[in-house]
Amino acid sequence: EDKVVQSPLSLVVHEGDTVTLNCSYEVTNFRSLLWYKQEKKAPTFLFMLTSSGIEKKSGRLSSILDKKELFSILNITATQTGDSAIYLCAVDPRRNDMRFGAGTRLTVKP
Amino acid sequence: KAGVTQTPRYLIKTRGQQVTLSCSPISGHRSVSWYQQTPGQGLQFLFEYFSETQRNKGNFPGRFSGRQFSNSRSEMNVSTLELGDSALYLCASSIGTGKDEQYFGPGTRLTVT
Repeated sequence: EDKVVQSPLSLVVHEGDTVTLNCSYEVTNFRSLLWYKQEKKAPTFLFMLTSSGIEKKSGRLSSILDKKELFSILNITATQTGDSAIYLCAVDPRRNDMRFGAGTRLTVKP
Repeated sequence: KAGVTQTPRYLIKTRGQQVTLSCSPISGHRSVSWYQQTPGQGLQFLFEYFSETQRNKGNFPGRFSGRQFSNSRSEMNVSTLELGDSALYLCASSIGTGKDEQYFGPGTRLTVT
């Protein structure tokens, strides 16, 4: 059965810290892995990763995929209180039914 | 460009009733996916529609159904509601069937009493 596991489930840091969120997966016919940030209601798209070893960056956020070891990491540097959210990892198998992890709840304290 | 809209935003129903939720995708987007989010199960895929056709369905009972209209608007129906159906129902739209740029609506919070 396909599964997506995120760790840690929750994390509390202080502003300025760097955090690394993990996502491991087991799916058949992998197509892509996606990261979302969910603050209040709807998740917002962060990254889509399809190839191993190619880092994607957006400001203080970056992500990379390892298709051999079946995991991805999301890095956030110089964290701010506005980064507090649930970060969701999802895997898109070729049959289109996306599988989400349980999420990592990040709390950034001032 | 307007985002994904969902109506209603909040809904309270009793067990055994049925409910219909609506989702209007971003203009030009032809794919609409529905998800259920609960504290215990996280975000789970319900189904996806593209060009009025259901592309795929998640692991939910037949009480959950949906459809898409020619203008890409989509509805989701849940019949014979159960307490466990209480959740946030999110819809997301994308231009095609890929999930690279999938935009979520604000969700409909359904409470079943």
